[in-house]
Amino acid sequence: ETGVTQSPTHLIKTRGQQVTLRCSSQSGHNTVSWYQQALGQGPQFIFQYYREEENGRGNFPPRFSGLQFPNYSSELNVNALELDDSALYLCASRRGAEAFFGQGTRLTVV
Amino acid sequence: KNEVEQSPQNLTAQEGEFITINCSYSVGISALHWLQQHPGGGIVSLFMLSSGKKKHGRLIATINIQEKHSSLHITASHPRDSAVYICAVRSEYGGSQGNLIFGKGTKLSVKP
Repeated sequence: ETGVTQSPTHLIKTRGQQVTLRCSSQSGHNTVSWYQQALGQGPQFIFQYYREEENGRGNFPPRFSGLQFPNYSSELNVNALELDDSALYLCASRRGAEAFFGQGTRLTVV
Repeated sequence: KNEVEQSPQNLTAQEGEFITINCSYSVGISALHWLQQHPGGGIVSLFMLSSGKKKHGRLIATINIQEKHSSLHITASHPRDSAVYICAVRSEYGGSQGNLIFGKGTKLSVKP
């Protein structure tokens, strides 16, 4: 049990739609990162939030956006979904150097 | 070339065998993580290393900072060890650069 909860666990969306994925982490975990994991690949860094501000971003277009809230929850929003957005999306919170991962949300875009 | 390389990509072992998974990286790091991912997708952190060696039960992780190399060993492997094992490094630079860079993972299958 990592204390990081993601919802939903599975999701099917149509190309062009928008999606919001959610992550709830433990109290005191001020940093949250989101990763995209395509099938058979390692996770790729999307962005990171620290105390509700984005402070790092990987090579993802602006239609990937996020929010972090004071209650240690966060969201990943993806607009104008494309077929290639189908992947497992992982949320990870940090306490110091330690990372705690959620179970992931498997998004399928059809 | 990926910044984090793992070998082998796939590994099949018989129950009881000693298993080694290797990880090499090309960037300066502040820490290295070994992670376990089961088919459902969730990731569990096994070890976080910045030097030396750590042991939890049948799992041992070592790191050589000078050679930029780490190994994960499983002694007396068991079918329940079957999973994808992922090496991830945290850049030595803080702030936005301090995120995890992942290897592609090693898929381990332990046969009874």
